[in-house]
Amino acid sequence: DAGITQSPRHKVTETGTPVTLRCHQTENHRYMYWYRQDPGHGLRLIHYSYGVKDTDKGEVSDGYSVSRSKTEDFLLTLESATSSQTSVYFCAISAESSGRETQYFGPGTRLLVL
Amino acid sequence: GESVGLHLPTLSVQEGDNSIINCAYSNSASDYFIWYKQESGKGPQFIIDIRSNMDKRQGQRVTVLLNKTVKHLSLQIAATQPGDSAVYFCAHRRDSNYQLIWGAGTKLIIKP
Repeated sequence: DAGITQSPRHKVTETGTPVTLRCHQTENHRYMYWYRQDPGHGLRLIHYSYGVKDTDKGEVSDGYSVSRSKTEDFLLTLESATSSQTSVYFCAISAESSGRETQYFGPGTRLLVL
Repeated sequence: GESVGLHLPTLSVQEGDNSIINCAYSNSASDYFIWYKQESGKGPQFIIDIRSNMDKRQGQRVTVLLNKTVKHLSLQIAATQPGDSAVYFCAHRRDSNYQLIWGAGTKLIIKP
């Protein structure tokens, strides 16, 4: 599992409330990613980070912000949650394996916005 | 824009038979391809990858084939087992970009 944990694993919240999801890794990987997964869409990249305080937008970044104040933690924040943000959120890291950079995923966080 | 698509959303295979899952991509600049397996309630798990300078790569019971001429990728699973039941995703990227582009997934169902 490349030492990736996500918290919380499940969350129910109300529309308009802020929500922060945490991704924690133990192996000092430089690259970290946040994806959302919805039926019929596969995985879609929200934001990614290529180092402490270095982040960039992905395909579906609207309504989300991220922060990376230390290597091991990558936080995803929904400033004001909407029902369209109900989804399963996966964190990933890039790790080298056999000379290739491959992404490895955490267990996911199920978010329900009522 | 780039896209990675799958021909079949669901594939049913008899236990013991071989499975073939297909994937098409549109960007000829893609040079790295990955197959992931996702079991219910879990994150995607890396299975096998292939670079564009190869057309075939084998792992344990799995083979990935890449046809750059028609921009087609396939995953072959030999002697399919019940534990192979999952959703399989193909993904690709260009070396200069760490972002992965994902297909929608194919659900593999194993019939006893």
